[in-house]
Amino acid sequence: HVQLVESGGGLVKPGGSLRLSCAASGFTFSDYYMSWIRQAPGKGLEWVSYISSSGSTIYYADSVKGRFTISRDNAKNSLYLQMNSLRAEDTAVYYCARLVNGDYYFDYWGQGTLVTVSS
Amino acid sequence: EIVMTQSPATLSVSPGERATLSCRASQSVSSNLAWYQQKPGQAPRLLIYGASTRATGIPARFSGSGSGTEFTLTISSLQSEDFAVYYCQQYNDWPPLTFGGGTKVEIK
Repeated sequence: HVQLVESGGGLVKPGGSLRLSCAASGFTFSDYYMSWIRQAPGKGLEWVSYISSSGSTIYYADSVKGRFTISRDNAKNSLYLQMNSLRAEDTAVYYCARLVNGDYYFDYWGQGTLVTVSS
Repeated sequence: EIVMTQSPATLSVSPGERATLSCRASQSVSSNLAWYQQKPGQAPRLLIYGASTRATGIPARFSGSGSGTEFTLTISSLQSEDFAVYYCQQYNDWPPLTFGGGTKVEIK
């Protein structure tokens, strides 16, 4: 069955960096578009970034553009989010999610990893 | 950017009653709208896509309707496991993919 398992979250100081990982299993990872979505404590969902199946097309939310970098390693069935110049407002649970083949909604989500940016 | 607005923010419903949740888009999204359910401490779960198609394994008491800018999620007879937060998401015009602010369905 499809599984997405995020890791790499934690406490980081403002201006610091963190790299999130998402390990995928139960499906052919290289066939699917993927995204990162975040949820600040007690708040709603915010789309963060998208990467196509080959990695050739990438998009970011304006709130993270220039600071975050999405990537994938299809040989390792893994998705990544490199987060630099972190701010307090980046504090959130970060989910990796699979986009439905050929469309742009999310059929599977990981359990999330918490990133806390605080001094 | 397409802004998604959900109403009400909180809906108090008794078990067995019908719940009607609304989602409005700032411009037409055709039928490219999805609904998700999120329970405390859990990831969101896909309920509806294409505005009205139930995802695999979703009970028939969940139904979606609408197109263009106005959408509705109806839960025909609320079960205890349906008390949760519900989000709509448009995927017609992006980036960015955008979500509504959510509607919390609570026990009356």
